Amino acid sequence: RKEVEQDPGPFNVPEGATVAFNCTYSNSASQSFFWYRQDCRKEPKLLMSVYSSGNEDGRFTAQLNRASQYISLLIRDSKLSDSATYLCVVSETGGSYIPTFGRGTSLIVHP
Amino acid sequence: NAGVTQTPKFRVLKTGQSMTLLCAQDMNHEYMYWYRQDPGMGLRLIHYSVGEGTTAKGEVPDGYNVSRLKKQNFLLGLESAAPSQTSVYFCASSPVPENTEAFFGQGTRLTVV
Repeated sequence: RKEVEQDPGPFNVPEGATVAFNCTYSNSASQSFFWYRQDCRKEPKLLMSVYSSGNEDGRFTAQLNRASQYISLLIRDSKLSDSATYLCVVSETGGSYIPTFGRGTSLIVHP
Repeated sequence: NAGVTQTPKFRVLKTGQSMTLLCAQDMNHEYMYWYRQDPGMGLRLIHYSVGEGTTAKGEVPDGYNVSRLKKQNFLLGLESAAPSQTSVYFCASSPVPENTEAFFGQGTRLTVV
């Protein structure tokens, strides 16, 4: 069983739509949480970190629910350029902070 | 800014051949990682290093070896390539990674025939 689970999608949405991705993690000792973006045939790049209080960066909002071991990413007013795969990443504490990746959620934004 | 550089970017191997993938970072990061990415499987950790001279096994280490003789370089070796090792390999580095970003190289596309 993968430690970090994501719905693979694809999520196919029109421009301007709001879309939300969810991610669950199994290790309650996890301390660091991130969303990465990966374009086709490219390397992953950090989209945003996820903080306990939740955080927002423009059209993107990330939330963390430690009790339910759940992370979310909300994208408002989707753009064509948002089409990509979104990777949930969790690092655990208590030794080596090794990033563990979910399998990714594919987003396709169409005109 | 070079960041994380992987060489080669593409390679085709015959079954049983050996090769070494090189990862170099110029950000003075302590942690370095090798992942493989296969369709539908996401990124899986092969080996990692928490500092010069150290290495550790990740989720899928079988068939691979690594070395970190210099802080800036992390080498991934395939001693006897198998078709199951056909994949895209990504190297990444980070400072002490709590709440910090991991920076990735552009990937190596390896095909074993």
